[in-house]
Amino acid sequence: AQSVTQPDIHITVSEGASLELRCNYSYGATPYLFWYVQSPGQGLQLLLKYFSGDTLVQGIKGFEAEFKRSQSSFNLRKPSVHWSDAAEYFCAVAGSSNTGKLIFGQGTTLQVKP
Amino acid sequence: EAGVVQSPRYKIIEKKQPVAFWCNPISGHNTLYWYRQNLGQGPELLIRYENEEAVDDSQLPKDRFSAERLKGVDSTLKIQPAELGDSAVYLCASRQQGYEQYFGPGTRLTVT
Repeated sequence: AQSVTQPDIHITVSEGASLELRCNYSYGATPYLFWYVQSPGQGLQLLLKYFSGDTLVQGIKGFEAEFKRSQSSFNLRKPSVHWSDAAEYFCAVAGSSNTGKLIFGQGTTLQVKP
Repeated sequence: EAGVVQSPRYKIIEKKQPVAFWCNPISGHNTLYWYRQNLGQGPELLIRYENEEAVDDSQLPKDRFSAERLKGVDSTLKIQPAELGDSAVYLCASRQQGYEQYFGPGTRLTVT
């Protein structure tokens, strides 16, 4: 069965510092991978997605993620964090066939220190 | 282009009462999803619609939950009767093609 693990429940970084959020997935075939961000009281906004091709994908708000098949990972990175990046981040994998069903990790809460 | 609209945004009810949530997907999006997000967790799929047909409701607790999508556009998710454990955020999402889903702001349900 497909699954997603986000090992870090809570991360605190200083404004301007770099950020890496970890995501590991379990999926039998080539996965479709996503990162979403959720601000308090808001729905989920798609940051970036990986379907195939270049393993380094660029997203919105200066985020990028790298797909590493050998490590079953899809870590999210940002070189310099802004205070407005404080939110909850979810990694997700699409299920089989074309249902578009998403399996989410439990999320990582990012706190940004001034 | 308007996004996914959900109402109400917040709802507080007593246990054993009924409650309903409404979702209006992005225009032209044939696929509609309802997710439940418990506190501190990622969303979990409850039901998926392709147009007006519920094609995946395996995770929907059918003894108390029901959903409909009349005319393949708006959708309503109902709980009757509500239990304390139903307190969560209920998210609606829609998509047209591919795997990209667009989420609404959610309805935060509190059952007391």
